[in-house]
Amino acid sequence: EAGVVQSPRYKIIEKKQPVAFWCNPISGHNTLYWYRQNLGQGPELLIRYENEEAVDDSQLPKDRFSAERLKGVDSTLKIQPAELGDSAVYLCASSSGRAGNGADTQYFGPGTRLTVL
Amino acid sequence: AQTVTQSQPEMSVQEAETVTLSCTYDTSESNYYLFWYKQPPSRQMILVIRQEAYKQQNATENRFSVNFQKAAKSFSLKISDSQLGDTAMYFCAFMKPEETSGSRLTFGEGTQLTVNP
Repeated sequence: EAGVVQSPRYKIIEKKQPVAFWCNPISGHNTLYWYRQNLGQGPELLIRYENEEAVDDSQLPKDRFSAERLKGVDSTLKIQPAELGDSAVYLCASSSGRAGNGADTQYFGPGTRLTVL
Repeated sequence: AQTVTQSQPEMSVQEAETVTLSCTYDTSESNYYLFWYKQPPSRQMILVIRQEAYKQQNATENRFSVNFQKAAKSFSLKISDSQLGDTAMYFCAFMKPEETSGSRLTFGEGTQLTVNP
């Protein structure tokens, strides 16, 4: 079974430029997460989707960050415009989202390392 | 809000020996889940072990076991017979299950483990 797929693996951009990250979760997983991991720290949740619905986006900086999961499968996270402080690893994770089980194990992708110059 | 603390930024161990990584957490919840994830240089976050707070028995996965002390809010990871492939950043994580599927993970800051030959 294929794991969580993310692309690109690396991205280098100038500040004020836009950037987008793509994630394809494990087949059949209804719940999708985007985390940001700053250097030397643990990941922090940006947004969580249940199928197409964003159910937890309290940590997403909505002035410059946006995300979508239009068909309830793959997802895109966008930053526009990027700032120097956005340099980080962006991790996507998915879980099966079985109804009534709020403690599904999350499986992570390899992440995208973003460098903003 | 929950917090997770890993007080050991770095640790090292000789191959074949045993090492214990520490983790403490703070929560007012009675029902929750705790995890240890491993992140090698490839950045892939890999689940090592999972513990349900309502279970008194400590979880074990092959060479990996935990010492879960609920009253003390402590959750340490013991790695027996350390192997070179165990070299990685290890993250302790807390999850409060939601009524709906899926929930955010709160991570500690990580412990870099190096296994020396």
